Amino acid sequence: GQSLEQPSEVTAVEGAIVQINCTYQTSGFYGLSWYQQHDGGAPTFLSYNALDGLEETGRFSSFLSRSDSYGYLLLQELQMKDSASYFCAVTASGGSYIPTFGRGTSLIVHP
Amino acid sequence: GAVVSQHPSWVICKSGTSVKIECRSLDFQATTMFWYRQFPKQSLMLMATSNEGSKATYEQGVEKDKFLINHASLTLSTLTVTSAHPEDSSFYICSASSSSGPKNIQYFGAGTRLSVL
Repeated sequence: GQSLEQPSEVTAVEGAIVQINCTYQTSGFYGLSWYQQHDGGAPTFLSYNALDGLEETGRFSSFLSRSDSYGYLLLQELQMKDSASYFCAVTASGGSYIPTFGRGTSLIVHP
Repeated sequence: GAVVSQHPSWVICKSGTSVKIECRSLDFQATTMFWYRQFPKQSLMLMATSNEGSKATYEQGVEKDKFLINHASLTLSTLTVTSAHPEDSSFYICSASSSSGPKNIQYFGAGTRLSVL
């Protein structure tokens, strides 16, 4: 099966840069994805990595190291609206590509 | 971008009634859709994988007779909570991945908040 570890909570101030780490265990790796979820809302897709390296999408970047079973989400120029839960999810190869989600990291951005 | 529509967004029902939740992919075909349940401040718990034209695959501990899933077309999956009870109150979310796109990108519906009285 799959399992993921990510910090439960991270706090930062507006304008800062924050990194949310995610380590995973999986048998057969297809990709690592990141999702944002605001309170009361549904998750929205942010970024994904299938290969090693950094993927940049505006203020958000995601990094993957398959040899280390490790990835992170980097949020730059933090804004108050970035306060949300962030989930990493690993998808195993083969079959239905069922994603397994981490427990989520609550990001609190202070003024 | 890919859009998944989920209805209703909020349901309040009496104990013993059944509730149907619809999940539609609006601008893409989804061979596979997923149904999740989420408790406050917790992660997404996968309930079942819904495959078009075949029976759903349920996760361990999820009662298939309680949570009926039908995936009638490439754009529609439904979850019916049968004989709902207060313990079934939760946030239910569906997701889908495009049949033609990266398999590890999930597009989520807005979720359905179910309250059973």
